[in-house]
Amino acid sequence: DVVMTQSPLSLPVTLGQPASISCRSSQNLVNSDGDTHLNWYQHRPGQSLRRLIYKVSNRDSGVPDRFSGSGSGTDFTLRISRVEAEDVGVYYCMQGTHWPPTFGQGTKVEVK
Amino acid sequence: DVQLLESGGGLVQPGGSLRLSCVTSGFTFSSYAMTWARQAPGKGLEWVSSISGGSGDRTYYADSVKGRFTISRDNSKNTLYLQMNSLRVDDTAVYFCANWVEGSKILFDYWGQGTLVTASS
Repeated sequence: DVVMTQSPLSLPVTLGQPASISCRSSQNLVNSDGDTHLNWYQHRPGQSLRRLIYKVSNRDSGVPDRFSGSGSGTDFTLRISRVEAEDVGVYYCMQGTHWPPTFGQGTKVEVK
Repeated sequence: DVQLLESGGGLVQPGGSLRLSCVTSGFTFSSYAMTWARQAPGKGLEWVSSISGGSGDRTYYADSVKGRFTISRDNSKNTLYLQMNSLRVDDTAVYFCANWVEGSKILFDYWGQGTLVTASS
């Protein structure tokens, strides 16, 4: 199975400042169609997981544009341009290129 | 609005059984593949099982649950199930259901809030 490794696992942030989470995969996530199925999810306390980003850099409907995804191959990044209080929670990367789908360990974002 | 609501979790002795349900609304259930994933205490997310849309003729299982868990769906009730037999202590986790468009390679669009399963004596 593809191993997804996130860093950091804990990210204290200052409101209004940028934040960045790294995700690395043990295998290249480009599939035979040339697509890279790397998603980012947000899990806020008491709420359902919410997909923020699919195929590396595509924001889901309703996701604020302060969230952006980038990367290729085995290295990926989720960036929050200016952290807001509602962004507190755990963030997961997930690969869907190789079956079975696998997740990173999660990065807990909290306000300093 | 898309909604997925899991139920059926609880405390069960090792070796026992439980059936989880995921009642859905807000989308055409039969047109979506469905999945179960879980999160053990202090651990990350783990994919458990998936079922194709339509008749659900294709099912997939993680090695850790193969032969013990069975995924199924009832399109008339917009409901997904997970029958869990021979439960082990390490099956203890919050179990989530999620959907994605049948045939799409973009997985896990929407998720439920989860139901807690505790296997303990």
